[in-house]
Amino acid sequence: SQTIHQWPATLVQPVGSPLSLECTVEGTSNPNLYWYRQAAGRGLQLLFYSVGIGQISSEVPQNLSASRPQDRQFILSSKKLLLSDSGFYLCAWDRLAGGPWTGELFFGEGSRLTVL
Amino acid sequence: AQSVTQLGSHVSVSEGALVLLRCNYSSSVPPYLFWYVQYPNQGLQLLLKYTSAATLVKGINGFEAEFKKSETSFHLTKPSAHMSDAAEYFCAVSMEYGNKLVFGAGTILRVKS
Repeated sequence: SQTIHQWPATLVQPVGSPLSLECTVEGTSNPNLYWYRQAAGRGLQLLFYSVGIGQISSEVPQNLSASRPQDRQFILSSKKLLLSDSGFYLCAWDRLAGGPWTGELFFGEGSRLTVL
Repeated sequence: AQSVTQLGSHVSVSEGALVLLRCNYSSSVPPYLFWYVQYPNQGLQLLLKYTSAATLVKGINGFEAEFKKSETSFHLTKPSAHMSDAAEYFCAVSMEYGNKLVFGAGTILRVKS
């Protein structure tokens, strides 16, 4: 079966510090990978998605970046955090290798970031 | 651009009462529609989806939703609320096969005993 892991689960960082959130998927190959941010009352905002190693699409201009160094690894980074970067970050994947698109996203447990 | 609107950021019902969470989409063509649920401090999980088959879709935990093209709606219902249904619910839409999902702002459901 497929599983998705995110870490760290909780992070408190000062303004101006760097950030690295990691997400890995197991049990599938060549998944589409996504980073979402959830801010209170604002739903889910798609930040980045990737259809393959080294292929990153950014949905909104921001202080964050993403990388996909391996097929099942997706990393969200920042060089200098802003207060507005606080939120709940969710990694997700879809598309079982060789299978049809179902539209179903599989989410990790999330990483809660507080920037002080 | 495709979008989805969830009416009511908070809905409160009594245990055993009908649950109705509203979702409207903007599109000139029938989209693919989804409802996800998120329990506190967890990721989202799929409740149900509409992909151009039957307009009444049944999901997990007794939830169902009906696709109404004339109203561009996909409201989520459950006949009798349970305390365990308290969570945040998200409607999502994709306008093309294989395209990214766009999520609504979410509705927090509170169930009173």
